[in-house]
Amino acid sequence: QAVVTQEPSLTVSPGGTVTLTCDFTAGAVTSDHSAYWFQQRPGQAPRTLIYDTKNKNSWTPARFSGSLLGGKAALTLSGALPEDEADYYCLLSYSGVRPWVFGGGTRLTVL
Amino acid sequence: EVQIWESGGDLIQPRGSLRLSCEVSGLTFSNYAMNWVRQGPRRGLEWVSSVTSWGDSKYYADSVAGRFTVSRDNSRNTVYLDMSMLTAEDTAMYYCVAGSFTSWGQGTLVTVSS
Repeated sequence: QAVVTQEPSLTVSPGGTVTLTCDFTAGAVTSDHSAYWFQQRPGQAPRTLIYDTKNKNSWTPARFSGSLLGGKAALTLSGALPEDEADYYCLLSYSGVRPWVFGGGTRLTVL
Repeated sequence: EVQIWESGGDLIQPRGSLRLSCEVSGLTFSNYAMNWVRQGPRRGLEWVSSVTSWGDSKYYADSVAGRFTVSRDNSRNTVYLDMSMLTAEDTAMYYCVAGSFTSWGQGTLVTVSS
């Protein structure tokens, strides 16, 4: 079964830049995997930040961006704010009867 | 604005059955696939099931295949998740997610315990 891996935890300074990645054991992540990124603050439901690798929802702050980087999906936060401290999950699509798989999540600390 | 209401979560005994419901407004429901995602206590997100816009194709995670059944009623803008042979491993917040994982409900809590 395909496994998606993310950094378990990352720390960024206020105002700093950090890149979270999403890796796929079955091979390089491409645009065909329709990568999604979700933010989950403590005690809240997740919300979608990025869909189809790089597209933003209307509520996605401009400081977040999605891309492909070295065969992985990536979420870059530029100009971190304290409110960005949260868990971030990626989701990849792949073919077959089990079409979606989440990464294990990255706990981002702004400190 | 898309709004999603999940319901049906409960405390249920092992090997019991439960039906979750998810009602959606703010979009043309019959145009969108629907998904269920769960999150166990202090755990990450797990994709559970998806159903296409007219219910003709259904997909399940290995962990629930054969025990869970997803269905939808486009006349009621509602998607369902029928769960059976529940175990403690199924204890989780269950989220209904519309379309291409764009809009999330607040979740409904399922606790499997004797």
